[in-house]
Amino acid sequence: EIVLTQSPGTLSLSPGERATLSCRASQSVSSSYLSWYQQKPGQAPRLLIYGTSTRATGIPDRFSGSGSGTDFSLTISRLEPEDFAVYYCQQYGNSPLYSFGQGTKVEIK
Amino acid sequence: EVQLVESGGGLVKPGGSLRLSCAASGFTFSRYTMNWVRQAPGKGLEWVSSIESSSTYIHYADSLKGRFTISRDNAKNSLYLQMNSLRADDAAVYYCVYGDGRFDFWGQGTLVTVSS
Repeated sequence: EIVLTQSPGTLSLSPGERATLSCRASQSVSSSYLSWYQQKPGQAPRLLIYGTSTRATGIPDRFSGSGSGTDFSLTISRLEPEDFAVYYCQQYGNSPLYSFGQGTKVEIK
Repeated sequence: EVQLVESGGGLVKPGGSLRLSCAASGFTFSRYTMNWVRQAPGKGLEWVSSIESSSTYIHYADSLKGRFTISRDNAKNSLYLQMNSLRADDAAVYYCVYGDGRFDFWGQGTLVTVSS
């Protein structure tokens, strides 16, 4: 069973700073099926990045994704006030069919 | 505009059953794989089940152990989740989501509470 581990658990940063979130898989994940989601309090998650590095419709270019194999990352180049949220990585295709990381909370410092 | 509206959540006793529904609009429902994803209070996201567009291929999380059944009615643009033998750890917000390989669009969710 594949396990996705996100780090850090919490990232405390100021608006304008750069955020780098990590997602490590217990076994290799297809780059085509690694996605990232943003969730704000009281809201449903929103797709940010799919296929490791492709931004979903309407997602600003300050969000970028990279990685391969077992190590993936999401970078927010300059944090805007609306970016403070919880971020989840997700893989498809291994057992289980879908799995999520436990999430990284990006909070205002 | 894509809309996914879940309903059917509520309070149920341990061992009880509940049927969730999801009404879809704004896209060609019959062409898309649909999914249920849940989130326990204060916890992370957990994939529950997926059903391919023609219902030929259906998958479940192993943890459900045959208690849940996903189905769809393409004529009614609707997705369902029949949940039986509910336990306290099934309490969560259940999201209806469309996408295959990724979760493109999410409904706002319906809350299921399991308590005596």
